[in-house]
Amino acid sequence: SQKIEQNSEALNIQEGKTATLTCNYTNYSPAYLQWYRQDPGRGPVFLLLIRENEKEKRKERLKVTFDTTLKQSLFHITASQPADSATYLCAYEGGSTLGRLYFGRGTQLTVWP
Amino acid sequence: KAGVTQTPRYLIKTRGQQVTLSCSPISGHRSVSWYQQTPGQGLQFLFEYFSETQRNKGNFPGRFSGRQFSNSRSEMNVSTLELGDSALYLCASSLEVGYTEAFFGQGTRLTVV
Repeated sequence: SQKIEQNSEALNIQEGKTATLTCNYTNYSPAYLQWYRQDPGRGPVFLLLIRENEKEKRKERLKVTFDTTLKQSLFHITASQPADSATYLCAYEGGSTLGRLYFGRGTQLTVWP
Repeated sequence: KAGVTQTPRYLIKTRGQQVTLSCSPISGHRSVSWYQQTPGQGLQFLFEYFSETQRNKGNFPGRFSGRQFSNSRSEMNVSTLELGDSALYLCASSLEVGYTEAFFGQGTRLTVV
């Protein structure tokens, strides 16, 4: 079955710096990756989606890359702010299980002033 | 437009009881998925419905069931509740199946005592 890993449970950075979060998956198939933000006690909120044939996607201060050779996606938040503090989830969908998202355990980001 | 609505927000049930959770997707969305989120396991896929048909099912016992109505609203039922069923249950809706972002509700926090 598909496995997706976010190799950092927690990341603490100073305001203004760039946060970089990593997501790795184990199986390859035509797919895309999604990134979500989750605040305590709330449902995840969609941030970005990147397809396998896209190397990079940007949205305001957010940037996602997708390396199918490394089976890895990197999620960057530039000029980070305390309001960016949250848990960030990576999700994978593809192959024969369209409609089903496989989530990583998430990385809890804390941005301190 | 209104987001995904889940009711109730909080529930406390006793072991052995059953529970029904409700989800109203975003208007026009035909795909509804359910996830269980616990600190130990993260987000785990339960099942996914599209046009009243269950298309995918996760690795949960038969005590977990669901259905979708013609108006795309969905319910999930858990029978013979166990302490380990205590979790945040999240519903997500999508416009179509696959390759599109999911919109999550606030979740239903179920506590089994």
